Amino acid sequence: QKEVEQNSGPLSVPEGAIASLNCTYSDRVSQSFFWYRQYSGKSPELIMSIYSNGDKEDGRFTAQLNKASQYVSLLIRDSQPSDSATYLCAVNPNNNDMRFGAGTRLTVKP
Amino acid sequence: DAGVTQSPTHLIKTRGQQVTLRCSPKSGHDTVSWYQQALGQGPQFIFQYYEEEERQRGNFPDRFSGHQFPNYSSELNVNALLLGDSALYLCASSLAVGEQYFGPGTRLTVT
Repeated sequence: QKEVEQNSGPLSVPEGAIASLNCTYSDRVSQSFFWYRQYSGKSPELIMSIYSNGDKEDGRFTAQLNKASQYVSLLIRDSQPSDSATYLCAVNPNNNDMRFGAGTRLTVKP
Repeated sequence: DAGVTQSPTHLIKTRGQQVTLRCSPKSGHDTVSWYQQALGQGPQFIFQYYEEEERQRGNFPDRFSGHQFPNYSSELNVNALLLGDSALYLCASSLAVGEQYFGPGTRLTVT
């Protein structure tokens, strides 16, 4: 079992729709969770961090964490073509190294 | 406020050679982590430096080594390059404990 698992996609949504990205992790002691966006040929960009169970909203982005289910998700509301990218879920079990999933490729169609 | 910088941007090396990659952290950050990202994969943790010491290391061979300088900048050295070392090498900076911010990366090609 991989430490961090994501659906590789591609996930395709129409412009204006809600995109839902999911991630599961195996290390129960993990306390910090992150979502990064990576455009093709570029480096990952931090878009959300979440540390407590529940929802955290930042603009069009909402991160959801359920530690009991070892599940973290990212919702993107009013999706735009500029949101088309690979979204990486990262888990930080010991505040040092981060474990990344392979990423989910999102395409937002105009 | 300068973000994380890395040099060089691209590098082509021959199998068996050695390479040094450089990273300057975001202003105010004291911790540098290095990652290797193969095509189509997520970044894989190589090691992390804090207070000029290697604080944690991932599952990479000893051919991968690093250093952190008093100004918090860092180097990643890879010896005896293999074709499989071809990847995007990412540096991320953070405070001792906290969110990590990535630099633009160095694309290494080993031929």
